[in-house]
Amino acid sequence: QVQLQESGPGLVKPSETLSLTCTVSGGSISSYYWSWIRQPPGKGLEWIGYIYYSGSTNYNPSLKSRVTISVDTSKNQFSLKLSSVTAADTAVYYCARAYYDILTGYISLEAFDPWGQGTLVTVSS
Amino acid sequence: QAGLTQPPSVSKGLRQTATLTCTGNSNNVGNQGAAWLQQHQGHPPKLLSYRNNNRPSGISERLSASRSGNTASLTITGLQPEDEADYYCSAWDSSLSVVVFGGGTKLTVL
Repeated sequence: QVQLQESGPGLVKPSETLSLTCTVSGGSISSYYWSWIRQPPGKGLEWIGYIYYSGSTNYNPSLKSRVTISVDTSKNQFSLKLSSVTAADTAVYYCARAYYDILTGYISLEAFDPWGQGTLVTVSS
Repeated sequence: QAGLTQPPSVSKGLRQTATLTCTGNSNNVGNQGAAWLQQHQGHPPKLLSYRNNNRPSGISERLSASRSGNTASLTITGLQPEDEADYYCSAWDSSLSVVVFGGGTKLTVL
């Protein structure tokens, strides 16, 4: 069973870069789309972007100028960098895989399973 | 970018039926349908359905999803206390090439 685990600093200073890594275990990172999604405290979900195992990416236009998602297939990991952070970037950050229907081979980019447990990142001086 | 519209809250009684809605436009919900997620406090979301009414294995048959035009719906029958949670819809927007989420609906089981 594939499991995802986010890791990285829980506290980042304003104007600095938030860096998180998602480690995939129980399966290969290859042949799938991997996303970062965040949730400010008490608020809803926001899609940050995805990366295909080959390295192609797609980002939320509202964050595109500050986001970089990368993949390291040798380590079965993918990473998120968000630059110039402010208090508005304080959130629980989740990594997740686009759902793969094993019977049809179809990938739903808007459906996510499995998810990591999430990691709270606070932006504060 | 514009997200999907969900009612903030829905309340129903135990063993009743709740229908949650999610409204988008012809570029997202109306085009490729929606997925539904359930989130209990302090936990990551859980996928309930995708592409309208496809359920991942292990998801209760009390849940069913559908779509009419630009509105997707999630129906939960025989409500149980464990169904009390936040529910989110998501869709792929083909004009923006992004995933959009609804604001979420808090379902209360009375």
